Amino acid sequence: EVQLVESGGGLVKPGGSLRLSCAASGFTFRDAWMSWVRQAPGKGLEWIGRIKQKTEGATVNYAASVKGRFIISRDDSKKVVYLQMNSLKIEDTAVYYCATHYDILTGFFVADWFDPWGQGTLVTVSS
Amino acid sequence: SYVLTQPPSVSVAPGQTARISCGGDNIGSKSVYWYQQKPGQAPVVVVYDDSDRPPGIPDRFSGSNSGNTATLTISRVEAGDEADYYCQVWDRSADQGVFGGGTQVSVL
Repeated sequence: EVQLVESGGGLVKPGGSLRLSCAASGFTFRDAWMSWVRQAPGKGLEWIGRIKQKTEGATVNYAASVKGRFIISRDDSKKVVYLQMNSLKIEDTAVYYCATHYDILTGFFVADWFDPWGQGTLVTVSS
Repeated sequence: SYVLTQPPSVSVAPGQTARISCGGDNIGSKSVYWYQQKPGQAPVVVVYDDSDRPPGIPDRFSGSNSGNTATLTISRVEAGDEADYYCQVWDRSADQGVFGGGTQVSVL
């Protein structure tokens, strides 16, 4: 069974940094695209970024709202994807989900949609 | 950047049909995905590739996509369908995921 478990959330001051982790199990992690998606309290879903596999150069794409401040990386030996968040703003307060890209049709983790998701971890940016 | 527009809310009586629209420029040329999110839970895919259902999703959920509008249809609505629903596409020109603003479905 595919499982994603986020950790590392908490309270941080504006301008501070925080690193989230997402531990994966139940699939061949090194072959999977991984994304981060966030949801501000009472708001909708916002895609943050995606990292491809090493065979595709571990290419990362970011949303404009976080580009230059957030960094996504992966450690295939540990089956973990990270979200390093720097220069945090109050508006970064949200539940942060990691998700993979399982394609039902091919069985590969390179689909254009997000499935499955972790349970999320809350990040609160406040002074 | 590509924008998806959804109505904020839809209300429907049990047993009736709910239709949730998702508007976007020439969205019919893209594949659309729909997610259901219940309070305190992570989103779950209910429709992928415009109109296909993952295993375990009831056939009461169906999707269509043409022109500038994609639609998620929930037939024979049940109380358990009360949730937020989000449409999503992948903007290939920017290589980014894009979500609609979400629609809250209330079962009267």
